[in-house]
Parts: sequence; structure tokens; C-alpha cells
Amino acid sequence: AQTVTQSQPEMSVQEAETVTLSCTYDTSESDYYLFWYKQPPSRQMILVIRQEAYKQQNATENRFSVNFQKAAKSFSLKISDSQLGDAAMYFCAYRAQGGSEKLVFGKGTKLTVNP
Amino acid sequence: NAGVTQTPKFQVLKTGQSMTLQCAQDMNHNSMYWYRQDPGMGLRLIYYSASEGTTDKGEVPNGYNVSRLNKREFSLRLESAAPSQTSVYFCASRRESTYNEQFFGPGTRLTVL
Repeated sequence: AQTVTQSQPEMSVQEAETVTLSCTYDTSESDYYLFWYKQPPSRQMILVIRQEAYKQQNATENRFSVNFQKAAKSFSLKISDSQLGDAAMYFCAYRAQGGSEKLVFGKGTKLTVNP
Repeated sequence: NAGVTQTPKFQVLKTGQSMTLQCAQDMNHNSMYWYRQDPGMGLRLIYYSASEGTTDKGEVPNGYNVSRLNKREFSLRLESAAPSQTSVYFCASRRESTYNEQFFGPGTRLTVL
């Protein structure tokens, strides 16, 4: 079964600085998708960024980018120019191709942004 | 568009009581999902529905039943609530695209005493 590991339960960053959240996963599949979701105190799950496994190019969405290392099964999230509104729980998620299309989530990293 | 909506937002039950969590989406998605989120855990899949009239078990289905009433609505029922079912419940629907992204509702915080 696929598993997703987020080894940093909590992280903190100064406003305007850069922070990287780690995620590793275990799978025997060659074709799959990876996601980062943000969960602010409102509890809403918000999709931040997504990556296809067969695309070598790292995904970027404004201040958010990923470092996808397929061989190492690593999918880290970099947040540049951190803002107070970035404070939230961040969840890494894996989805295999086909089947139920279910998401397998890591346990999350709580990000604090200090002014 | 409202996206994915869930009712209620909060609920307190006594052990043994029953209740139904409601979920609706207005994005014309075929697939819908129910997840639960426990402290220190990521979301775990309870049940999913690939299309109207079909449902399948996920990772943690025990103690729950679901109904895909129509394309828009997917409900989750607790027949006899237990304290172990205290959790936050999320409904999601899936857009059919390259990434098949899932979009989540705001969640229901359920406490079983």
C-alpha cells in the first residue's frame, strides 16, 4: 500500500523568508500524481499545487514551488516570500493512476509564520 | 457556484445515536468521497462513489453507511455512533481532468460523547 510521510510535524518561518516542507512517499507505481493541500484554521482544504510523476519539470504556482525527485520518492514544497496568511497545516497527498482515485495523505506539517 | 457544501458544520451526539451527514456539489462531478480527519493524522478515506448509484468502501468503512442519492448528493450515515467516531468529516468531489483534482467541503466536526 502507498504511504506518505511528512517528517516535520511543525515548522516556522519569518515573514518574507523562504521555507521548505518535506514529503516522501512509498509506491511501486510509475505513474501517479502528487499534491500539496493547505488547511488554515477555517478547516477548509485548499489545493496549493500538483505534480504529475512523469513530468520532469517541477510545478510552480506563484510563490509556491515543488522539488520533485522521482527516484528518491521525494516531493517537497517551497514557499517563497512567506506571508502571515500562509500559516496553516500543509498536507502532502498521493494519488495512483486509475482505481478509486483516492488520495493518500501524510500526517501534515503545521507552519507558523512569525511577523 | 457553491462548490462542495456540507451540513451540519458541528454536531454532538450521544453514544448509540444515529445521524446523517449531508454533502452536495454543484460542479457536475461524477466521483465523490467521504474522508475523516483525526488529530495528528491526515485524511483517511471512508467511502467513495465513482458515479450515481455506485459506492465502494475505502480504508476505514466500519460503522458507516453511504448513499449516493443522485449525481449532486452523497450522504454519510452513522447508525450507532461511538466515541471512536469523534472526528472531522470531509466530503470531496473529483474533477475529471489530467490531474483529477479533488475539491473539499468545509467539513463537519462531530463529537460523540
